Amino acid sequence: ELKVEQNPLFLSMQEGKNYTIYCNYSTTSDRLYWYRQDPGKSLESLFVLLSNGAVKQEGRLMASLDTKARLSTLHITAAVHDLSATYFCAVDSQGGSEKLVFGKGTKLTVNP
Amino acid sequence: GAVVSQHPSRVICKSGTSVKIECRSLDFQATTMFWYRQFPKKSLMLMATSNEGSKATYEQGVEKDKFLINHASLTLSTLTVTSAHPEDSSFYICSAYPGPRTEAFFGQGTRLTVV
Repeated sequence: ELKVEQNPLFLSMQEGKNYTIYCNYSTTSDRLYWYRQDPGKSLESLFVLLSNGAVKQEGRLMASLDTKARLSTLHITAAVHDLSATYFCAVDSQGGSEKLVFGKGTKLTVNP
Repeated sequence: GAVVSQHPSRVICKSGTSVKIECRSLDFQATTMFWYRQFPKKSLMLMATSNEGSKATYEQGVEKDKFLINHASLTLSTLTVTSAHPEDSSFYICSAYPGPRTEAFFGQGTRLTVV
């Protein structure tokens, strides 16, 4: 059974600082996704990572995937308040089945 | 990007009644859609896979008679919560993929409150 672990679950940081969120998963998969969720809202797609070594960047967020280590990271650079949200990683549970297993989420609070 | 529309966004119903939630893919066809449930401040759990023209596939522990899924067309899946109880109160979200090796797009979610 695929398990997806995110850490930290809660992250409070100052504006301008950098930090990394980690996502580990237990079985082989080459499809990993990062989503953002604002309170009371649905999920917004941030990144889709489809191969080992994939790195994608959008603004102050950068995601990477190491399929050998079964690890993805979401790096935040020079955080701003608008990045405050909950971030989920999700892994395709059966290699192309499109059934996603989600991590527990990281609630990020960026303080002025 | 692709658009998945879910309706209603909020619904309050009485215990014992049934509630239908619609999920539409607006600009693409989806032979498969997915229904997730999210408890407050928790992660998303897959409930079932909705298959156009055939029966839904339910995840272990999900009552298929309580959560009826119908996928009658390539752009519409519905989730009906039957004989609702307060413990069915939750945030329900659907998703679909516009194509292979793309990301899933999620509907706006439906906040169900059973009183």
